[in-house]
Amino acid sequence: DAGVIQSPRHEVTEMGQEVTLRCKPISGHDYLFWYRQTMMRGLELLIYFNNNVPIDDSGMPEDRFSAKMPNASFSTLKIQPSEPRDSAVYFCASNPSGGRTEAFFGQGTRLTVV
Amino acid sequence: AQKVTQAQTEISVVEKEDVTLDCVYETRDTTYYLFWYKQPPSGELVFLIRRNSFDEQNEISGRYSWNFQKSTSSFNFTITASQVVDSAVYFCALKPHSSASKIIFGSGTRLSIRP
Repeated sequence: DAGVIQSPRHEVTEMGQEVTLRCKPISGHDYLFWYRQTMMRGLELLIYFNNNVPIDDSGMPEDRFSAKMPNASFSTLKIQPSEPRDSAVYFCASNPSGGRTEAFFGQGTRLTVV
Repeated sequence: AQKVTQAQTEISVVEKEDVTLDCVYETRDTTYYLFWYKQPPSGELVFLIRRNSFDEQNEISGRYSWNFQKSTSSFNFTITASQVVDSAVYFCALKPHSSASKIIFGSGTRLSIRP
């Protein structure tokens, strides 16, 4: 299996622009998570899906952030408009059903908003 | 509260020394799962181990060992004979059974191994 695939790996954008991050989970995994990592706040869970349905989006910082999962093999995290404080590494992770299993992480997208 | 505390922000040791990374957790659940992840300088998050709350057996994998003690709510990680390649940020994490797969991460410990 190719693992969780994220794109792009790096993104540099200007303040005010729309940014879309993409994720392909491991096939057969029912859960998909979006995390953000910064020096100040560490790893924060933004939102997670179960069977393509958003379950908990309480970690989404504000309305500028939105996430979708149109099918079992694809998810997006969109920031519109982007701000410099959104600069971070964004990770996507997936795991199958059942609480025993660990989450498998993608390699992350490093976002820089200038 | 449900949380993970890694009190050691940074640790630096000389190669070949043993080093222990501390992890203390809090949860209301009687069933839960604990994890350790490694984040090397390249940035990816690498899963190291999972432990279930009903299994207090310690585990050893090569130079790595884990000590799980429910009585003190701790899940400590020891690297024996450390190597430069062990330099990374290590995260302890908790998944309470009631959390519906939501994982709670500690703040991480940055480990530097000096040659």
